[in-house]
Amino acid sequence: DTEVTQTPKHLVMGMTNKKSLKCEQHMGHRAMYWYKQKAKKPPELMFVYSYEKLSINESVPSRFSPECPNSSLLNLHLHALQPEDSALYLCASSQVASGETQYFGPGTRLLVL
Amino acid sequence: GENVEQHPSTLSVQEGDSAVIKCTYSDSASNYFPWYKQELGKGPQLIIDIRSNVGEKKDQRIAVTLNKTAKHFSLHITETQPEDSAVYFCAASIRGADGLTFGKGTHLIIQP
Repeated sequence: DTEVTQTPKHLVMGMTNKKSLKCEQHMGHRAMYWYKQKAKKPPELMFVYSYEKLSINESVPSRFSPECPNSSLLNLHLHALQPEDSALYLCASSQVASGETQYFGPGTRLLVL
Repeated sequence: GENVEQHPSTLSVQEGDSAVIKCTYSDSASNYFPWYKQELGKGPQLIIDIRSNVGEKKDQRIAVTLNKTAKHFSLHITETQPEDSAVYFCAASIRGADGLTFGKGTHLIIQP
């Protein structure tokens, strides 16, 4: 089973709202990722967690706040977003030991009004 | 950082013909090269990958070749079918468990 699940599938929020995106995997992977994908563009890396610790933060604005409560869960907390933050947010995971093969979830499509 | 170039941006082929998508990378330290297929409204799906100690890998109708000297790798799809229509992304990674750098994507259209 190589499934990564993400909730919600769709999210509409105002610029003053606070919301969270959730990601879950039960493959025993110890690395988890957040990517942002704009329409007709490739995914862009936002954050990397390795063994529940933030290892890479690609200069993402502080209005995006990641959290890894345990090895199976990854959250992305959203606050005071801008309309240009509207995008597909993808979660992925990989085994840290072999590292490379990343499995993606279906994404959360976010619209900021 | 790593930079991945992908060509063409759009590729239209007749059903049953072969399709080839090419990528180049900039950092010689990159050692892992996956290919993803993304259908409309879905997340990227891994279809094949190759590591830098291998020159070619094949899985049924799909193959990937890697030329480390020239720093380029290619995806080959034979006997294309309508369900192959999607956007394909190549990617490169310098170190395991780090993020991937993606090419800009190729929209593959299979004409019936």
